[in-house]
This record gives sequence, C-alpha cells and structure tokens, in this order.
Amino acid sequence: DARVTQTPRHKVTEMGQEVTMRCQPILGHNTVFWYRQTMMQGLELLAYFRNRAPLDDSGMPKDRFSAEMPDATLATLKIQPSEPRDSAVYFCASGLGAPGYFGPGTRLLVL
Amino acid sequence: KNEVEQSPQNLTAQEGEFITINCSYSVGISALHWLQQHPGGGIVSLFMLSSGKKKHGRLIATINIQEKHSSLHITASHPRDSAVYICAGFHNTDKLIFGTGTRLQVFP
Repeated sequence: DARVTQTPRHKVTEMGQEVTMRCQPILGHNTVFWYRQTMMQGLELLAYFRNRAPLDDSGMPKDRFSAEMPDATLATLKIQPSEPRDSAVYFCASGLGAPGYFGPGTRLLVL
Repeated sequence: KNEVEQSPQNLTAQEGEFITINCSYSVGISALHWLQQHPGGGIVSLFMLSSGKKKHGRLIATINIQEKHSSLHITASHPRDSAVYICAGFHNTDKLIFGTGTRLQVFP
C-alpha cells in the first residue's frame, strides 16, 4: 500500500531554531508539493517540484524557508530561523502531475 | 477574491440524510479536486474531475464547466462521514488553490 511519508510527525522548537521537515513521495511520482495549513489561512501551497526541479515557490517566505529535492525519494522543507507564526501543519503530497496523495503532515509548534 | 469558494462553511445532518456541498471557481481553474480531512488531520483525495460526474460508493461529484460549479453529494450519510470537505481548483494544471472547506457533522 504505497503512501507518502513525512517526518517528524510532531516538532516543538524554540523561536530562532532551524527546523527541517522531510517527505518521502510515492515511488514513481514525478511531482511533489509542500502545503501549510493553519486555522486562519487554511491550506496554502508553499512550493512544488516536477522531476525534482522547483517549479513554483512563490507561496514561500524566501528569507527563511527553503525547499529542496536532493533525490527522487526525498523532499525537504527547511525553516531558518523559525518564528512562532510558522506554527502550522505542513503537508507533503505527491502525484503524477497533480497532487493525488497526501502525507500525514508534520505538526510544528514554534514557541 | 478567492478563486475557489465553498458553501456552506458548516453543515450538520442526521444519519441517512442526503448531503450536498457546493464549490464555485473562477476563470483559470481547469479541474477540481475534492479532498476529505478527518478529525485526526489526515487528508484523503476523493475525486479529481474536469467534466461530468464521478461516483465512488456513496459519494458523487459533479462539475458544470460552463457555470464553473461543482458539487459533492453524500447519499445515506453516516457519522463516519463527519469530516472537513475541501474543494481545490487546479490552476495551470497542477497547482492547487484551496477553498476554505466545509465542516460536516453527521449525528446518529
């Protein structure tokens, strides 16, 4: 049963610390998406990749966020330095073109 | 103005009722994705459609391209259908723009 995996599932950190979230897309999927969900904003697209190349990261605060795909089995989302307003659930999704499968999310709390 | 708008925001129903959730979208959206988010937070893809109608079990999704409108129907609703249902539009084919979601509660 193929699924998107994300680690860690939960992260509590202090303001100013670096946070790294990881995603393993489903094998064979060529697109990977990062989303953020907050109570206030709902779901928002942060960045996405096709065939490991970044296509759109306009939803991401670039001064502190970075997204990469070092290889086809791993996507990372980093926040440095983290701020309390970054507290949210971060979802990764993968698909063949469209984001068909979502990971369980990483719940981030920045104190 | 949101490119994807859902209604209602909240919906309660008695078990067995027929439920409809509506989604309107703007120009530039080429297809729609219906998602279900469980109380635990996990997101499940229900349907992706760009025309016509799709059915899976008790769930039916329809889309009217001319009117830029889609509906998600649940027949014979059950308490386990309680979740947030999210309509998302595909902009430029693969970039999703999300609606605000409809919180559904089905009571026994």
